[in-house]
Amino acid sequence: GAVVSQHPSRVICKSGTSVKIECRSLDFQATTMFWYRQFPKKSLMLMATSNEGSKATYEQGVEKDKFLINHASLTLSTLTVTSAHPEDSSFYICSAREMGGKDTGELFFGEGSRLTVL
Amino acid sequence: AQTVTQSQPEMSVQEAETVTLSCTYDTSENNYYLFWYKQPPSRQMILVIRQEAYKQQNATENRFSVNFQKAAKSFSLKISDSQLGDTAMYFCAFMKRTGAQKLVFGQGTRLTINP
Repeated sequence: GAVVSQHPSRVICKSGTSVKIECRSLDFQATTMFWYRQFPKKSLMLMATSNEGSKATYEQGVEKDKFLINHASLTLSTLTVTSAHPEDSSFYICSAREMGGKDTGELFFGEGSRLTVL
Repeated sequence: AQTVTQSQPEMSVQEAETVTLSCTYDTSENNYYLFWYKQPPSRQMILVIRQEAYKQQNATENRFSVNFQKAAKSFSLKISDSQLGDTAMYFCAFMKRTGAQKLVFGQGTRLTINP
């Protein structure tokens, strides 16, 4: 149980285009999902907190117009990188908290999505 | 704001040996969780072990155990009888029990288990 799936796992796009990454909780409902960015050999940096039915909360320094987050249902959050540039190339990871689950603090992580912008 | 510090960027031990990864954190909170996550080459984040701050007893999960020193704000991970499959990046992480419950990660320790 408690599986989170990200799609696509790898994506290559041209500079100036937009790319959408999906994060789905497959066997549970998640009112809250989190999006992280990870540079090579570095730690995970929280970008934003995605709340179902409301606007995402962005961390300081993260451009909300650049990284659009939509949490339209209890099982799906999407991250859209708009007008992508080579510096947006990175590994993006989502995590989800089970709604109504036991308060263990545990988050379930997706497999990650590697974005390469040419 | 909370910070998590892992002072060992890389470690390497022989198979079957015991290894301890260090982690310290800074917070003014009294009620929180601490975690160790493993990220193997597949990049999938895997929860290794979890500790609740109000519990004095150190958490254990099979070959993995922690030494939680709340006053010192220290949370080290001990891996006993290390296996080749333990090779991965290990991240220490902090989460408040209240509010947004965001994970704050340390910088990571790259652990290599040699045959």
